[in-house]
Amino acid sequence: DQQVKQNSPSLSVQEGRISILNCDYTNSMFDYFLWYKKYPAEGPTFLISISSIKDKNEDGRFTVFLNKSAKHLSLHIVPSQPGDSAVYFCAAGIIQGAQKLVFGQGTRLTINP
Amino acid sequence: GAGVSQSPSNKVTEKGKDVELRCDPISGHTALYWYRQRLGQGLEFLIYFQGNSAPDKSGLPSDRFSAERTGESVSTLTIQRTQQEDSAVYLCASSLRPGRGTDTQYFGPGTRLTVL
Repeated sequence: DQQVKQNSPSLSVQEGRISILNCDYTNSMFDYFLWYKKYPAEGPTFLISISSIKDKNEDGRFTVFLNKSAKHLSLHIVPSQPGDSAVYFCAAGIIQGAQKLVFGQGTRLTINP
Repeated sequence: GAGVSQSPSNKVTEKGKDVELRCDPISGHTALYWYRQRLGQGLEFLIYFQGNSAPDKSGLPSDRFSAERTGESVSTLTIQRTQQEDSAVYLCASSLRPGRGTDTQYFGPGTRLTVL
């Protein structure tokens, strides 16, 4: 049972344009959501997070949107840069729990010059 | 300071052999996690250590998998009688203060395990 789903395995965007990565979840207990970025042969690195009391969190070029009623979150990157090419994982957890995160399958983002 | 380190970076073993994977967390981090990533899939939680509390082993897929942690330092993940379906990248993460609001997990580079 996949509790966190990223339905797009890959996404290709032109440099300078907006990249939108999507993620859906099924467990209504999740109250904390994160995006991680992963380069080949490296571990995932934390990018941005949002708690369920908010619907938007912004950090520079990265913005995460949360729609609790739809159990959907998205990551917007604008403007996209070649260095953004990586695999992006969304993850969900419960703040008061053991913080074992549930990850999506990942979306490979390619930024074309 | 140094990040999370894991060794070996790659391990090739024969089916039926035992393997031991090591994780050195960031100094001072009380929590340590093991995840597994199979080809084309997301990260799958295996086990969680927090200080001196009993570990959360709810993600271990079978009794062939076990993990130990010495205090708040090194952890080893052991897989006995390896099977081909154990082939994956095994990732370790540590965090500073879990349970106190949001707490970032920092990942190591992983150990790629291949069972022939």
